[in-house]
Order: sequence, then structure tokens, then C-alpha cells
Amino acid sequence: QKEVEQDPGPLSVPEGAIVSLNCTYSNSAFQYFMWYRQYSRKGPELLMYTYSSGNKEDGRFTAQVDKSSKYISLFIRDSQPSDSATYLCAMKESGDTGRRALTFGSGTRLQVQP
Amino acid sequence: ETGVTQTPRHLVMGMTNKKSLKCEQHLGHNAMYWYKQSAKKPLELMFVYNFKEQTENNSVPSRFSPECPNSSHLFLHLHTLQPEDSALYLCASGSGSSLVNEQFFGPGTRLTVL
Repeated sequence: QKEVEQDPGPLSVPEGAIVSLNCTYSNSAFQYFMWYRQYSRKGPELLMYTYSSGNKEDGRFTAQVDKSSKYISLFIRDSQPSDSATYLCAMKESGDTGRRALTFGSGTRLQVQP
Repeated sequence: ETGVTQTPRHLVMGMTNKKSLKCEQHLGHNAMYWYKQSAKKPLELMFVYNFKEQTENNSVPSRFSPECPNSSHLFLHLHTLQPEDSALYLCASGSGSSLVNEQFFGPGTRLTVL
């Protein structure tokens, strides 16, 4: 079983739709949860991160963590064609004693149709 | 130049060739990373350098040889590669000390081994 599971997609939605991207994980030591966006022919860029459980909102993007279910989500409201990209989730154990490297999902390719 | 740059962007090499990938970061970070990204697979961490010292080698075959002459530059020397080594090679940098371990990625080198 992979440490982090992510549906590869592609996920195709019409412009303006609400998008839900998800990852599940098995390592209960993960405390930091990140979402990266990767456009074609570019490296990943960090969109947002959350610590432990809860929600975090940044403009049209909301990140949600449910540690009891080992499940994280990224919601995109009012999706735009410019949101078309691959979205990677990444996770990390607690800073001082845990493994510091990031563990990535395989990414979900999102296509927003105009 | 800002951020993280990588050269070359594309590389085609035979199995007997020797080549090098270069990464440079202009962010003042102390940590640099090499990742391998293959289609539909999670990012694979290859090497980590902190303050020019290699702190992690994720069981990478010896045909990949990293070099970090200073905190701003990172190289990946390649020799006698296999076709299965064809992938996107991403360099990233980070502060190395933050709890989140936010990483900033370069655009990658698309490597094809014939």
C-alpha cells in the first residue's frame, strides 16, 4: 500500500464548477499537509498548507484535513480554465523528531473546460 | 534570474554517455533536493543537501552522482543510465529548518535515455 493515495484523473469540469481533489494516507505521524500545483512543463508550486486537522481558506481555494479518517481535500470554487493543472498533495511528519522529507501523492490532473 | 533554475531543460542521451544536470537557486536557501518524477507515480526524493552536506540518499543507484559545491548550486552527474531512468528530474530548494519544509521547485530537466 502506498503511503499517500491520489486519484490520477483526469478530472474534467466546466468553468465555474466547484472542484474537489482528495488524498488518503496511511502514516498517522503526518502533521503537515500541503497542496502543490504543477502546470505543464513547469515544476510544482506550493498552493497552501495546513497543520494537523481543520480548514484553511485562501481566495477560491480551501484545504481541509480530517486526521481521524486520514483524508485531505482541496476545494476550488468558481473554477477557471487557468486552474487546469496537476494537483499534488504532500505530507510531512512533525518537525523535530519525525522524518522531515515530504511524501507526495502521484497527482490529479484537472481540466477546466471553458 | 529568480527562484530555482535548471539546465538543460531537455536532454537526450545514450546509455554510454556521461552528462550533468545543473540547478541554481537564488532564494538564499540552505537545503537543496533532487527528485525524479515519472508518469503517474509520486515524486521520488533522490538526494537532500543541507548546508552543502548530503543528508539523505534514498537508495539511489550509483549511476546518479550528486554534487553540491555551495548552497546555491546543485549538480546531478549521470553515467551509464538505463532507459527506465527516463523521467523529469526536478530540483528544489528550501530553508531546511522550517517546520513546514516548504520547497520551491525548478522547471525540471526532461531526460530521455535511448
